[in-house]
Amino acid sequence: GQQVMQIPQYQHVQEGEDFTTYCNSSTTLSNIQWYKQRPGGHPVFLIQLVKSGEVKKQKRLTFQFGEAKKNSSLHITATQTTDVGTYLCQGGSEKLVFGKGTKLTVNP
Amino acid sequence: DTEVTQTPKHLVMGMTNKKSLKCEQHMGHRAMYWYKQKAKKPPELMFVYSYEKLSINESVPSRFSPECPNSSLLNLHLHALQPEDSALYLCASSQDYYNEQFFGPGTRLTVL
Repeated sequence: GQQVMQIPQYQHVQEGEDFTTYCNSSTTLSNIQWYKQRPGGHPVFLIQLVKSGEVKKQKRLTFQFGEAKKNSSLHITATQTTDVGTYLCQGGSEKLVFGKGTKLTVNP
Repeated sequence: DTEVTQTPKHLVMGMTNKKSLKCEQHMGHRAMYWYKQKAKKPPELMFVYSYEKLSINESVPSRFSPECPNSSLLNLHLHALQPEDSALYLCASSQDYYNEQFFGPGTRLTVL
């Protein structure tokens, strides 16, 4: 069945360092969504990518969708303590499937 | 109104109890979802309603019974739950099935 793999599972960085999380799908995706879940909170929608090779930016966050529409990445430049949380990708193919998430901690 | 609301925030129930979780959205979204989330795990899809009809049931045990009374409301009826059903239950909605989802704050359920 459709699977979405997300790596790394955990990432600890010093404030100011960059951070990247990757999602890889076993099947070609129609779209991919990224969410952020703060500790004790609920997933909050960040972005949706639909087109092959698409790149979108939100301030310090850069999202990419691979040319083959099987992988995606989220890159944060110069992390801040407010970036802590779990970043979840959700791939849309036959179904919408979440990756396991990357938990980001930031040392001030 | 861009919120999804859920009640109650917390629920403690015994294995013989019957309770219901409620979810509401007023964004005109036509797809609504129930997810179960255990600690340190991603949300796990349970049910999807599309245009008020159940379109996906991810082989959820019958002790969980969803209901969509109208396009704004989604309920999850609980009966004879097990302690391992303790989790955060999240409701979400989206314009259509493949669109971005908006999540409610969740109901933290504890089954004793």
